[in-house]
Amino acid sequence: GENVEQHPSTLSVQEGDSAVIKCTYSDSASNYFPWYKQELGKGPQLIIDIRSNVGEKKDQRIAVTLNKTAKHFSLHITETQPEDSAVYFCAASRGWGKLQFGAGTQVVVTP
Amino acid sequence: DVKVTQSSRYLVKRTGEKVFLECVQDMDHENMFWYRQDPGLGLRLIYFSYDVKMKEKGDIPEGYSVSREKKERFSLILESASTNQTSMYLCASRGLAGDPADTQYFGPGTRLTVL
Repeated sequence: GENVEQHPSTLSVQEGDSAVIKCTYSDSASNYFPWYKQELGKGPQLIIDIRSNVGEKKDQRIAVTLNKTAKHFSLHITETQPEDSAVYFCAASRGWGKLQFGAGTQVVVTP
Repeated sequence: DVKVTQSSRYLVKRTGEKVFLECVQDMDHENMFWYRQDPGLGLRLIYFSYDVKMKEKGDIPEGYSVSREKKERFSLILESASTNQTSMYLCASRGLAGDPADTQYFGPGTRLTVL
């Protein structure tokens, strides 16, 4: 089955700097890659997703890139703000199959 | 706005008790999921349901069962709670409109402690 690895497990950045989280997946048939943000005491919330027919997608300060050949995808957050502090999860799935999640990255943005 | 609600935010039970965790979604979604979340392990799928009265085992179904009698409601049952089931439990739902997949919407979670 699918296996998703996520790095780093913790990331500390200065406010205004960029943050990058990387994930690799094992199933070459996976074609849907969402990213979730989980704030303290809340359930994960989708922040951006990408499907395998595109290589990059951007939404304001957040972007995701996908390299199907290397089987990895990354989340980029620019101009980080304190409210970006949270746990971020990547995930991968094939069609309507189950989502396989990475272990999560704790992002801390210091003022 | 999609809403997924879970019956309790915090729950404390004793070893051996039968525990019911309830999840309700208001978006008429076909698919529903139960995960547990533990530090360093991410979200692991316990059970999921493609539609009413249908269920399939996820990656860690041992010690759990589920029930889906109505489309909007998905229950997770711990027949005899054990201390290693102390965890955060997350419910999610998903519609079938997207191609190749639609996103999953999560509830706020239930933090279960088994003493």
